[in-house]
Amino acid sequence: DAGVIQSPRHEVTEMGQEVTLRCKPISGHDYLFWYRQTMMRGLELLIYFNNNVPIDDSGMPEDRFSAKMPNASFSTLKIQPSEPRDSAVYFCASSNKYEQYFGPGTRLTVT
Amino acid sequence: SQQGEEDPQALSIQEGENATMNCSYKTSINNLQWYRQNSGRGLVHLILIRSNEREKHSGRLRVTLDTSKKSSSLLITASRAADTASYFCATDRNAGNMLTFGGGTRLMVKP
Repeated sequence: DAGVIQSPRHEVTEMGQEVTLRCKPISGHDYLFWYRQTMMRGLELLIYFNNNVPIDDSGMPEDRFSAKMPNASFSTLKIQPSEPRDSAVYFCASSNKYEQYFGPGTRLTVT
Repeated sequence: SQQGEEDPQALSIQEGENATMNCSYKTSINNLQWYRQNSGRGLVHLILIRSNEREKHSGRLRVTLDTSKKSSSLLITASRAADTASYFCATDRNAGNMLTFGGGTRLMVKP
């Protein structure tokens, strides 16, 4: 298996633009997680899905953030409009049981 | 706020020495996991210890768990330069797969 795949790996955008991050989980994993990592706040859970259904989105910062999982092999995290404070590394992870498998992350820079 | 807090925040040792990292948490857990993150990469699962276990070994890794003190430690024996990374503890909040990560310990192993 190729592991969790994320795209793009790097994204530089201007404030106010829409940003879409993509994730392909490991085949057969029932859980999918979106995290954000910054120096100031560490690793934060934004939202997670079980069998494509959002279970807990309490970590989503505000309405500018939205996440979808239309099928078992694909998820998106969208930020609209983006702001400089959204600059961070965004990780997607998938899981079958307890251990989580992380993707390489998307480094987002909003100028 | 973070459930787990690692101590120390940074640790620098010579190759061949042992490295010990500690994690404290606040609420009851089902299990505790340790992850490793190399610079610019996603997190990688190292080891899981259940709440009814006190010690677990995996290769050069030894993990202990003291639920009465709500703390865990990760010991890396005979460290190598390749062990240089950040190490995170993660606790589950409930019976589901949601994890809360600590702030991490940055380990540097000098050759």
